[in-house]
Amino acid sequence: AQTVTQSQPEMSVQEAETVTLSCTYDTSESDYYLFWYKQPPSRQMILVIRQEAYKQQNATENRFSVNFQKAAKSFSLKISDSQLGDAAMYFCAYGSSNTGKLIFGQGTTLQVKP
Amino acid sequence: GAGVSQSPSNKVTEKGKDVELRCDPISGHTALYWYRQSLGQGLEFLIYFQGNSAPDKSGLPSDRFSAERTGGSVSTLTIQRTQQEDSAVYLCASRSSVGTGTHNEQFFGPGTRLTVL
Repeated sequence: AQTVTQSQPEMSVQEAETVTLSCTYDTSESDYYLFWYKQPPSRQMILVIRQEAYKQQNATENRFSVNFQKAAKSFSLKISDSQLGDAAMYFCAYGSSNTGKLIFGQGTTLQVKP
Repeated sequence: GAGVSQSPSNKVTEKGKDVELRCDPISGHTALYWYRQSLGQGLEFLIYFQGNSAPDKSGLPSDRFSAERTGGSVSTLTIQRTQQEDSAVYLCASRSSVGTGTHNEQFFGPGTRLTVL
């Protein structure tokens, strides 16, 4: 069975600074996908960034980038130039390439200080 | 609307009552997923539909939980004889296809907050 672990329940960053959220996972599958989702207090899940496991190049979306280490089964999220609107709960998720089913980590609450 | 919708947004019920939660996926999306999010926790997979069939029901916590999907569209999650531990936010997501070689994004609804007194 696949598992996802986020070891940082809470993180804090100063506005305009950079923060990295950690995620590790375990799987025996060779083909899969990894995601970071953002969940603000509204409860709406918003996809932040996606990484295909077969791609060596780390995904980047504007101020968001990942450090994907396949051998170490690590998938961290870096947020650059943090903004107040980035404050939310962030979830790392493993996606089965077969069914699309997502396995989520426990989440990291990110606080952005002005 | 263009997004996934869920109803009701909030539901308060008494222990032992049955509840039905509804999900309207994005039109044309063949895959539909139900997840449960307990207070302050991550999302827990419940069931996955491809069309009207459910090839993966492995996340349903007990036989009090069931789900169906009709016409390849609307899905209903039913919880019978609700217990206090069933209190959570129930999220639905839909996806355009499975096994295309690229992983299509799951679009989430706003969730139903269920409170069992």
